[in-house]
Amino acid sequence: DAKTTQPTSMDCAEGRAANLPCNHSTISGNEYVYWYRQIHSQGPQYIIHGLKNNETNEMASLIITEDRKSSTLILPHATLRDTAVYYCIVVEYYGNNRLAFGKGNQVVVIP
Amino acid sequence: KAGVTQTPRYLIKTRGQQVTLSCSPISGHRSVSWYQQTPGQGLQFLFEYFSETQRNKGNFPGRFSGRQFSNSRSEMNVSTLELGDSALYLCASSPGQGAVGSPLHFGNGTRLTVT
Repeated sequence: DAKTTQPTSMDCAEGRAANLPCNHSTISGNEYVYWYRQIHSQGPQYIIHGLKNNETNEMASLIITEDRKSSTLILPHATLRDTAVYYCIVVEYYGNNRLAFGKGNQVVVIP
Repeated sequence: KAGVTQTPRYLIKTRGQQVTLSCSPISGHRSVSWYQQTPGQGLQFLFEYFSETQRNKGNFPGRFSGRQFSNSRSEMNVSTLELGDSALYLCASSPGQGAVGSPLHFGNGTRLTVT
């Protein structure tokens, strides 16, 4: 079962930063937070992951609260191509690839 | 580097038939996982193979099976197809030694329709 809670859907304005929240209040010390997204008719795409420090890559930034019970994925300048279902999942350190995706957050970027 | 390749892209079968789906992982990746995606259940883990051995299995009936070859290519088979097996079947590869630092790379899936 998924160990995260996300909004079912949200809209974002094109060109603005999109902040996608995720709650993982039962996360354990050896679990990472991973984000994937799935654009219509494609397979999920890895975005970013983190343990407790904030992380940034060319796609997004990940902000994890100090207590690790929640996180926020930030898309700095949302484009129409960022419209997708975004999945926040927790993954055990040295764990296997049996991932529990949950329902995700349908993000629509509006012109 | 070529991504994960799944064939065929679309498939239509009749109830009772069997089907084989194929997945070619990214070169050098030794782990291949399979997922089923339906509108009602979302993404559900089927099984994972690493070095030709099944390393993990999800909660699916025995009609769902898979295998991995020495070149890491994988196939999954569904026998005695049921209408409820209609879904997008996704394959994902990773280098293999656990999930941390080696995120899954997904193919675009095989869309199976059972009539």
